[in-house]
Amino acid sequence: QKEVEQNSGPLSVPEGAIASLNCTYSDRGSQSFFWYRQYSGKSPELIMFIYSNGDKEDGRFTAQLNKASQYVSLLIRDSQPSDSATYLCAVALRSNDYKLSFGAGTTVTVRA
Amino acid sequence: DGGITQSPKYLFRKEGQNVTLSCEQNLNHDAMYWYRQDPGQGLRLIYYSQIVNDFQKGDIAEGYSVSREKKESFPLTVTSAQKNPTAFYLCAISNFNGRSEAFFGQGTRLTVV
Repeated sequence: QKEVEQNSGPLSVPEGAIASLNCTYSDRGSQSFFWYRQYSGKSPELIMFIYSNGDKEDGRFTAQLNKASQYVSLLIRDSQPSDSATYLCAVALRSNDYKLSFGAGTTVTVRA
Repeated sequence: DGGITQSPKYLFRKEGQNVTLSCEQNLNHDAMYWYRQDPGQGLRLIYYSQIVNDFQKGDIAEGYSVSREKKESFPLTVTSAQKNPTAFYLCAISNFNGRSEAFFGQGTRLTVV
């Protein structure tokens, strides 16, 4: 089992729709969870972080964390063509001395 | 980016050659990391350093070397022992290992010619 797994893509959504991205992780004791957005050929940029169970909203983005289920998700509401990118889930795994472990990423395409 | 500078942006290596990738930061962050990214594989940790003059191997350290002589600098050398070095290399910094988010430089794309 991979330490951090993301739902396989690519994910194609129409403009204005909700894009839903999922991520599971292997270590129940992990504490910090991050979502990065990476445009093609560019470096990742942090868009959300969440530490506690529940939802965290920032503009059109909502991160959801369920530590009991070892699950973190990202919702992008009112998707725009500029949201087309690869989204990386990162977890500070307890089993990895809390260094960030990354999922393989999910590529999202927003159709105009 | 914004305080993290990687250079060069593109680098070409000949067979059997060592090359060094630069990473400099002026944000006074303690921890610095090197990741490698291959298509469809996410980011894999090569080396990391939490304090000056100390660094630890990551998951794929073979064929790479680093130094941390100054807090601001964490260069990565890709040696001739690394048989498949073509990849996108990313330097990252964080203020605290684990709790704090990591910020990335612009990346260096290394190609073997």
